[in-house]
Amino acid sequence: AQSVTQLDSQVPVFEEAPVELRCNYSSSVSVYLFWYVQYPNQGLQLLLKYLSGSTLVESINGFEAEFNKSQTSFHLRKPSVHISDTAEYFCAVSLSGGYQKVTFGTGTKLQVIP
Amino acid sequence: GAVVSQHPSWVICKSGTSVKIECRSLDFQATTMFWYRQFPKQSLMLMATSNEGSKATYEQGVEKDKFLINHASLTLSTLTVTSAHPEDSSFYICSASSGTGVPGELFFGEGSRLTVL
Repeated sequence: AQSVTQLDSQVPVFEEAPVELRCNYSSSVSVYLFWYVQYPNQGLQLLLKYLSGSTLVESINGFEAEFNKSQTSFHLRKPSVHISDTAEYFCAVSLSGGYQKVTFGTGTKLQVIP
Repeated sequence: GAVVSQHPSWVICKSGTSVKIECRSLDFQATTMFWYRQFPKQSLMLMATSNEGSKATYEQGVEKDKFLINHASLTLSTLTVTSAHPEDSSFYICSASSGTGVPGELFFGEGSRLTVL
Protein backbone atom coordinates (compact mmCIF):
# COMPACT_ATOMS: atom_id res chain seq x y z
CA ALA A 1 0.00 0.00 0.00
CA GLN A 2 1.10 3.54 -0.64
CA SER A 3 1.56 6.23 1.99
CA VAL A 4 2.29 9.94 2.12
CA THR A 5 4.26 11.94 4.68
CA GLN A 6 4.03 15.67 5.16
CA LEU A 7 6.42 16.45 7.98
CA ASP A 8 5.47 20.10 8.44
CA SER A 9 2.05 20.65 9.94
CA GLN A 10 2.38 24.43 9.79
CA VAL A 11 4.59 26.72 7.75
CA PRO A 12 4.55 30.46 8.49
CA VAL A 13 6.14 32.65 5.84
CA PHE A 14 6.22 36.35 5.12
CA GLU A 15 4.44 37.73 2.10
CA GLU A 16 6.58 37.75 -1.06
CA ALA A 17 9.03 35.25 0.45
CA PRO A 18 9.61 31.83 -1.14
CA VAL A 19 8.12 28.69 0.35
CA GLU A 20 8.58 24.95 0.07
CA LEU A 21 6.10 22.42 1.41
CA ARG A 22 7.59 18.99 1.73
CA CYS A 23 6.00 15.71 0.68
CA ASN A 24 7.48 12.24 0.63
CA TYR A 25 5.70 9.13 -0.48
CA SER A 26 6.17 5.40 -0.14
CA SER A 27 5.14 2.88 -2.77
CA SER A 28 6.58 -0.26 -4.29
CA VAL A 29 5.03 0.49 -7.66
CA SER A 30 4.68 3.54 -9.86
CA VAL A 31 2.33 6.26 -8.69
CA TYR A 32 0.49 9.41 -9.61
CA LEU A 33 1.13 12.38 -7.34
CA PHE A 34 -1.10 15.33 -6.51
CA TRP A 35 -1.25 18.49 -4.47
CA TYR A 36 -4.67 19.62 -3.30
CA VAL A 37 -5.45 22.95 -1.59
CA GLN A 38 -8.17 23.62 0.94
CA TYR A 39 -9.05 27.28 1.58
CA PRO A 40 -10.84 28.11 4.84
CA ASN A 41 -14.37 26.72 4.96
CA GLN A 42 -14.11 25.22 1.51
CA GLY A 43 -13.63 21.80 -0.03
CA LEU A 44 -10.39 20.57 -1.55
CA GLN A 45 -9.30 21.65 -5.02
CA LEU A 46 -6.69 20.07 -7.23
CA LEU A 47 -3.64 22.34 -7.45
CA LEU A 48 -1.34 20.28 -9.67
CA LYS A 49 -0.59 16.70 -10.63
CA TYR A 50 2.18 14.47 -11.87
CA LEU A 51 1.14 11.52 -14.00
CA SER A 52 4.13 10.96 -16.28
CA GLY A 53 6.57 12.82 -18.50
CA SER A 54 8.23 16.00 -17.28
CA THR A 55 9.05 15.75 -13.60
CA LEU A 56 8.41 19.47 -13.05
CA VAL A 57 4.74 20.42 -13.02
CA GLU A 58 3.22 23.85 -12.56
CA SER A 59 -0.08 25.33 -11.49
CA ILE A 60 -1.78 28.38 -12.92
CA ASN A 61 -1.15 30.44 -9.75
CA GLY A 62 2.62 30.12 -9.62
CA PHE A 63 3.13 26.92 -7.63
CA GLU A 64 5.35 24.16 -8.94
CA ALA A 65 6.29 20.69 -7.77
CA GLU A 66 9.03 18.35 -8.84
CA PHE A 67 8.75 14.58 -8.84
CA ASN A 68 11.98 13.05 -7.59
CA LYS A 69 11.83 9.29 -7.90
CA SER A 70 15.16 8.58 -6.22
CA GLN A 71 14.17 10.59 -3.17
CA THR A 72 10.49 9.62 -3.38
CA SER A 73 9.54 13.24 -2.99
CA PHE A 74 7.08 15.69 -4.53
CA HIS A 75 7.81 18.99 -2.80
CA LEU A 76 5.65 22.02 -3.57
CA ARG A 77 7.33 25.39 -4.09
CA LYS A 78 6.43 28.96 -4.85
CA PRO A 79 9.04 31.71 -5.32
CA SER A 80 6.89 34.50 -3.88
CA VAL A 81 3.76 33.90 -1.81
CA HIS A 82 0.70 36.11 -1.45
CA ILE A 83 -1.74 36.52 1.41
CA SER A 84 -4.29 34.69 -0.71
CA ASP A 85 -2.11 31.56 -0.64
CA THR A 86 -2.98 31.06 3.02
CA ALA A 87 -4.61 27.62 3.07
CA GLU A 88 -4.04 24.00 3.92
CA TYR A 89 -2.16 21.96 1.34
CA PHE A 90 -2.50 18.20 1.00
CA CYS A 91 -0.13 15.95 -0.88
CA ALA A 92 -1.76 12.82 -2.27
CA VAL A 93 -0.78 9.67 -4.12
CA SER A 94 -2.52 6.97 -6.08
CA LEU A 95 -1.25 3.94 -7.85
CA SER A 96 -0.76 4.56 -11.55
CA GLY A 97 -2.60 2.73 -14.27
CA GLY A 98 -6.20 3.77 -14.03
CA TYR A 99 -8.55 4.98 -11.35
CA GLN A 100 -7.18 3.96 -8.03
CA LYS A 101 -7.78 4.96 -4.43
CA VAL A 102 -6.16 8.26 -3.47
CA THR A 103 -4.20 8.44 -0.21
CA PHE A 104 -3.69 11.82 1.43
CA GLY A 105 -0.97 13.21 3.65
CA THR A 106 -1.79 14.94 6.92
CA GLY A 107 -1.69 18.39 5.37
CA THR A 108 0.46 21.48 5.81
CA LYS A 109 -1.10 24.73 6.87
CA LEU A 110 0.57 27.61 5.03
CA GLN A 111 0.22 30.88 6.92
CA VAL A 112 1.31 33.91 4.93
CA ILE A 113 2.21 36.83 7.19
CA PRO A 114 1.72 40.36 5.83
CA GLY B 1 -14.43 22.47 -13.37
CA ALA B 2 -16.83 19.85 -12.12
CA VAL B 3 -19.00 20.81 -9.17
CA VAL B 4 -19.83 18.64 -6.20
CA SER B 5 -22.25 19.89 -3.61
CA GLN B 6 -22.65 18.61 -0.08
CA HIS B 7 -25.57 19.21 2.24
CA PRO B 8 -25.88 20.14 5.01
CA SER B 9 -22.66 22.07 5.56
CA TRP B 10 -23.07 21.71 9.29
CA VAL B 11 -25.40 19.82 11.57
CA ILE B 12 -25.83 19.46 15.30
CA CYS B 13 -27.72 16.49 16.64
CA LYS B 14 -28.44 14.71 19.89
CA SER B 15 -26.68 11.52 20.82
CA GLY B 16 -28.57 8.48 19.57
CA THR B 17 -30.15 10.12 16.56
CA SER B 18 -29.29 9.52 12.91
CA VAL B 19 -27.99 12.10 10.48
CA LYS B 20 -27.99 11.98 6.69
CA ILE B 21 -25.48 13.86 4.54
CA GLU B 22 -26.00 14.24 0.81
CA CYS B 23 -23.37 14.52 -1.89
CA ARG B 24 -24.40 15.56 -5.36
CA SER B 25 -22.45 15.94 -8.58
CA LEU B 26 -24.08 18.91 -10.28
CA ASP B 27 -22.67 18.88 -13.79
CA PHE B 28 -21.30 15.40 -14.39
CA GLN B 29 -22.13 11.78 -13.76
CA ALA B 30 -20.19 10.40 -10.84
CA THR B 31 -19.64 6.71 -11.34
CA THR B 32 -17.65 6.57 -8.12
CA MET B 33 -17.99 8.59 -4.96
CA PHE B 34 -15.74 8.55 -1.95
CA TRP B 35 -16.50 9.48 1.63
CA TYR B 36 -13.74 10.84 3.85
CA ARG B 37 -13.56 11.84 7.47
CA GLN B 38 -11.21 14.64 8.45
CA PHE B 39 -9.97 15.02 12.01
CA PRO B 40 -8.28 18.21 13.21
CA LYS B 41 -4.61 18.25 12.28
CA GLN B 42 -4.96 14.87 10.62
CA SER B 43 -5.27 13.58 7.13
CA LEU B 44 -8.42 12.80 5.26
CA MET B 45 -9.31 9.26 6.17
CA LEU B 46 -11.08 7.34 3.43
CA MET B 47 -14.15 5.70 4.89
CA ALA B 48 -15.69 4.03 1.88
CA THR B 49 -15.92 3.93 -1.86
CA SER B 50 -19.30 3.70 -3.52
CA ASN B 51 -20.11 2.86 -7.09
CA GLU B 52 -23.50 3.67 -8.53
CA GLY B 53 -25.93 0.84 -8.12
CA SER B 54 -23.75 -1.38 -6.00
CA LYS B 55 -22.82 -1.78 -2.34
CA ALA B 56 -20.16 0.46 -0.92
CA THR B 57 -16.70 -0.85 -0.17
CA TYR B 58 -15.66 0.10 3.34
CA GLU B 59 -12.13 0.64 4.56
CA GLN B 60 -10.79 -1.48 7.37
CA GLY B 61 -12.02 -0.33 10.73
CA VAL B 62 -15.05 1.56 9.43
CA GLU B 63 -18.34 0.18 10.75
CA LYS B 64 -20.62 -0.37 7.78
CA ASP B 65 -23.70 -0.64 10.00
CA LYS B 66 -22.95 2.71 11.58
CA PHE B 67 -22.03 4.61 8.43
CA LEU B 68 -24.61 3.67 5.82
CA ILE B 69 -23.72 4.71 2.30
CA ASN B 70 -26.13 4.71 -0.61
CA HIS B 71 -25.26 5.59 -4.21
CA ALA B 72 -28.60 5.17 -5.90
CA SER B 73 -27.97 7.41 -8.89
CA LEU B 74 -25.07 8.77 -10.91
CA THR B 75 -25.45 12.16 -9.26
CA LEU B 76 -26.27 11.39 -5.64
CA SER B 77 -24.64 9.53 -2.78
CA THR B 78 -25.72 9.70 0.85
CA LEU B 79 -23.94 8.98 4.09
CA THR B 80 -26.11 8.24 7.10
CA VAL B 81 -24.51 8.24 10.52
CA THR B 82 -26.77 5.99 12.58
CA SER B 83 -27.17 6.27 16.34
CA ALA B 84 -24.62 9.06 16.43
CA HIS B 85 -22.39 9.53 19.46
CA PRO B 86 -20.08 12.41 20.41
CA GLU B 87 -17.07 10.51 19.07
CA ASP B 88 -18.69 10.64 15.63
CA SER B 89 -18.34 14.41 15.64
CA SER B 90 -16.10 15.26 12.72
CA PHE B 91 -15.81 16.88 9.32
CA TYR B 92 -17.14 14.58 6.60
CA ILE B 93 -16.14 15.21 3.00
CA CYS B 94 -17.32 13.52 -0.15
CA SER B 95 -15.57 13.44 -3.49
CA ALA B 96 -16.58 12.18 -6.87
CA SER B 97 -14.96 10.77 -9.96
CA SER B 98 -16.49 10.51 -13.39
CA GLY B 99 -14.27 7.59 -14.31
CA THR B 100 -12.98 9.61 -17.23
CA GLY B 101 -10.58 12.53 -17.35
CA VAL B 102 -7.50 12.55 -15.15
CA PRO B 103 -6.96 9.43 -13.06
CA GLY B 104 -6.88 10.35 -9.40
CA GLU B 105 -8.39 13.78 -9.96
CA LEU B 106 -11.19 14.07 -7.48
CA PHE B 107 -13.84 16.74 -7.17
CA PHE B 108 -14.69 17.52 -3.58
CA GLY B 109 -17.78 18.76 -1.84
CA GLU B 110 -17.57 21.59 0.67
CA GLY B 111 -17.68 19.21 3.60
CA SER B 112 -20.21 18.68 6.38
CA ARG B 113 -19.34 19.37 9.99
CA LEU B 114 -21.21 17.08 12.35
CA THR B 115 -21.43 17.85 16.04
CA VAL B 116 -23.08 15.26 18.26
CA LEU B 117 -24.12 16.50 21.69
